[in-house]
Amino acid sequence: DGGITQSPKYLFRKEGQNVTLSCEQNLNHDAMYWYRQDPGQGLRLIYYSQIVNDFQKGDIAEGYSVSREKKESFPLTVTSAQKNPTAFYLCASSSALIGTSVSEQYFGPGTRLTVT
Amino acid sequence: RKEVEQDPGPFNVPEGATVAFNCTYSNSASQSFFWYRQDCRKEPKLLMSVYSSGNEDGRFTAQLNRASQYISLLIRDSKLSDSATYLCVVRNEKLTFGTGTRLTIIP
Repeated sequence: DGGITQSPKYLFRKEGQNVTLSCEQNLNHDAMYWYRQDPGQGLRLIYYSQIVNDFQKGDIAEGYSVSREKKESFPLTVTSAQKNPTAFYLCASSSALIGTSVSEQYFGPGTRLTVT
Repeated sequence: RKEVEQDPGPFNVPEGATVAFNCTYSNSASQSFFWYRQDCRKEPKLLMSVYSSGNEDGRFTAQLNRASQYISLLIRDSKLSDSATYLCVVRNEKLTFGTGTRLTIIP
């Protein structure tokens, strides 16, 4: 079955620790994205990548970092510099970069990160 | 003004009723529009794209009003399984998501 996997579903960390969220897709999509969702707010774009070894900051990139060493994988690191890291993190992919085509964006099941 | 604005609800509607809600957008040059459905604690999934001429998919009808800069979603003969949050999404150089409208269908 083709799709996007994110693990773990729930992640708990102590404040001051970096944490890396995984995202893997087997849809052969070029573009991948990370969003964060907070209660009462829409999804906000953290980072996106159009192609391997290239990525761009989204609207709220501060305190986050990403890498794109393989087409299938786009891990997100939430660093200790992120002021409010507790949120629902969603990874997505599309066959082409969303602004360049009308290709649909598919979402992974998300990771709920709680930092205490 | 927010780029994409939705009434958060919640809207509680009896089963079988018809329900409609709107979403307004601020960028008149916006290119494409979508409705996504998000179940509680799950990821958003594409419900339908919104075309200029309007489109229908079973009990769901989506319409676009460019002059007034809003899109609408109409659900006929609502089912219990329609209970979810409906996200309005506008595409420019990226996707911009509304905060969602929470809908609960009551038996």
